[in-house]
Amino acid sequence: GAVVSQHPSWVICKSGTSVKIECRSLDFQATTMFWYRQFPKQSLMLMATSNEGSKATYEQGVEKDKFLINHASLTLSTLTVTSAHPEDSSFYICSARAQGQGNSGEQYFGPGTRLTVT
Amino acid sequence: GQNIDQPTEMTATEGAIVQINCTYQTSGFNGLFWYQQHAGEAPTFLSYNVLDGLEEKGRFSSFLSRSKGYSYLLLKELQMKDSASYLCAVRDSWGPRGGGYQKVTFGTGTKLQVIP
Repeated sequence: GAVVSQHPSWVICKSGTSVKIECRSLDFQATTMFWYRQFPKQSLMLMATSNEGSKATYEQGVEKDKFLINHASLTLSTLTVTSAHPEDSSFYICSARAQGQGNSGEQYFGPGTRLTVT
Repeated sequence: GQNIDQPTEMTATEGAIVQINCTYQTSGFNGLFWYQQHAGEAPTFLSYNVLDGLEEKGRFSSFLSRSKGYSYLLLKELQMKDSASYLCAVRDSWGPRGGGYQKVTFGTGTKLQVIP
């Protein structure tokens, strides 16, 4: 089946530093990848949609200059949290939709990255 | 925009059947998903409905009525490991075919506790 990996699985960083999270589709090509954020006891909130080779589409209220997304290949998307602050501490989850899946496809989720900003 | 409602919590007994409801309001409906999420883990796909009716997959079934904006997830022969949050997610589509936009929005999830 389709596998999506994320790295790192957890990270602790100091306030003001930047953190990069990688999302990889291991056995399929993903034309579209999604980045979600989930705070404790809340549901997933879509942050942005990234299509390979083009700029990401950010949801309302998500700062594109703070959350930099790069989808340079069909198997890799990265999310960089710049100048992280404690309120950015959250569970970040990526998902990918396989190439050619069109309307029928499900999203395959990565295992998530838990970010703690101190 | 979308409005997705599902109960916050439910409790059911091991071996029993439980039905988790989801109602939604959307303008460009293009599919409904159910995901299972254990605490601290990413969601895992359970089912997908785009046409009215029942989709059965082992102990899990999902039903959709597009005219009513309603879906349910049915879990049979409950096991303790089924204790988790169950997320209803609705996909919206808009724009021209082949070049349109899609977005999946998640409900807040239903936390199911299975008791002995």
